[in-house]
Amino acid sequence: DGGITQSPKYLFRKEGQNVTLSCEQNLNHDAMYWYRQDPGQGLRLIYYSQIVNDFQKGDIAEGYSVSREKKESFPLTVTSAQKNPTAFYLCASSLERSNQPQHFGDGTRLSIL
Amino acid sequence: GESVGLHLPTLSVQEGDNSIINCAYSNSASDYFIWYKQESGKGPQFIIDIRSNMDKRQGQRVTVLLNKTVKHLSLQIAATQPGDSAVYFCAENVQGAQKLVFGQGTRLTINP
Repeated sequence: DGGITQSPKYLFRKEGQNVTLSCEQNLNHDAMYWYRQDPGQGLRLIYYSQIVNDFQKGDIAEGYSVSREKKESFPLTVTSAQKNPTAFYLCASSLERSNQPQHFGDGTRLSIL
Repeated sequence: GESVGLHLPTLSVQEGDNSIINCAYSNSASDYFIWYKQESGKGPQFIIDIRSNMDKRQGQRVTVLLNKTVKHLSLQIAATQPGDSAVYFCAENVQGAQKLVFGQGTRLTINP
């Protein structure tokens, strides 16, 4: 089945530690996105990539980094500079054309130890 | 703009009734709108979309209405079932932008 796979489902971070969240898609989509969701709130865009080897900052990029070395993969690193990383992280992908829906993975829940 | 808070707007309906979930958007340049359903612990699931050159679109048990004059979007769910319990988000795409802007969401609960 085609889809988006996020791993791990749950992740714990220690103080001063960087952690990397995985996102893989086999939908042959060009564009990929990372969102953060806090309790009772909507989704806020962290980073997005429209093509391999290129990505742009979203609305809340500080303390995060990404790479896009392969079309199907868009890992997100939560660095120690992100002082409030506890949240639900969602990855999405879409066709690289305007007015196309984004399709989401089932998220990674990150907590602080 | 977005409101910030821990309490989602909530809509409670009786099983079998129709549900109407509303969304206001602020950018008159938005040209594409999507409704998503999010169940607890899962990612948002696409329900239905509509382009700005339309004012109504129907799917299976769902209808989306777009009123560009007042910048209002609604999702109607017919004959609401227990499985419809979830948080519903609207999202808009501003013309020329390559990203969606999400609303805060509405929690739909179904009373037996």
